[in-house]
Amino acid sequence: EVQLVESGGGLVQPGGSLRLSCAASGFTFSRYWMSWVRQAPGKGLEWVANIRQDGSEKYYVDSVEGRFTISRDNAKDSLFLQMSSLTAEDTAIYYCARHITIFQVVTNFDHWGQGTQVTVSS
Amino acid sequence: EIVMTQSPATLSVSPGERATLSCRASQSVISNLAWYQQKPGQAPRLLIYGASTRATGIPARFSGSGSGTEFTLTISSLQSEDLAVYYCQQYKDWPPLTFGGGTKVEIK
Repeated sequence: EVQLVESGGGLVQPGGSLRLSCAASGFTFSRYWMSWVRQAPGKGLEWVANIRQDGSEKYYVDSVEGRFTISRDNAKDSLFLQMSSLTAEDTAIYYCARHITIFQVVTNFDHWGQGTQVTVSS
Repeated sequence: EIVMTQSPATLSVSPGERATLSCRASQSVISNLAWYQQKPGQAPRLLIYGASTRATGIPARFSGSGSGTEFTLTISSLQSEDLAVYYCQQYKDWPPLTFGGGTKVEIK
């Protein structure tokens, strides 16, 4: 059974940093593109960043470019999101999600974790 | 950036009735579109990919159609457990991957 379990969320002050983790199990983690998707309180879904299987390609939504860094450790079946210079607008539930890839083409998400809450407030 | 627009924002449907949800893309995404269901307090779940293919384990009452810029998710006979917010998402041109704003389905 595919499982994605996020951790690392919490309350952080504006301007602070936080590192999220996602532990993957039930599949060969190193074969999949992975993403972080967030959801602000009462709002819709927003894709944040994704990373290629070997970590050689990384993409970000403009609003986090330069502040967030996605990474992975295939030996530990883990995905990470290092977040810095946090603002209230980054307050959200952060989900780890697995991509389906067809002939090297990244497509939709087929599995999601339960999310970890990040709250940026003084 | 491809903007995804969903309508209506809220849909109230009686049990057993048909629910029709719409999603429009600002430019053609061909059939590179997925639908997700998010029940209260839960993570999203994949319903449809490739605009019309049901994901594993998804009941046959859920169907997707459309191509290009206009897409529809139909729930043929609404069940009480279908109370949720439904999101469309394009994966034709990215970054960024983009979602619609969601349609909340209420049980009348």
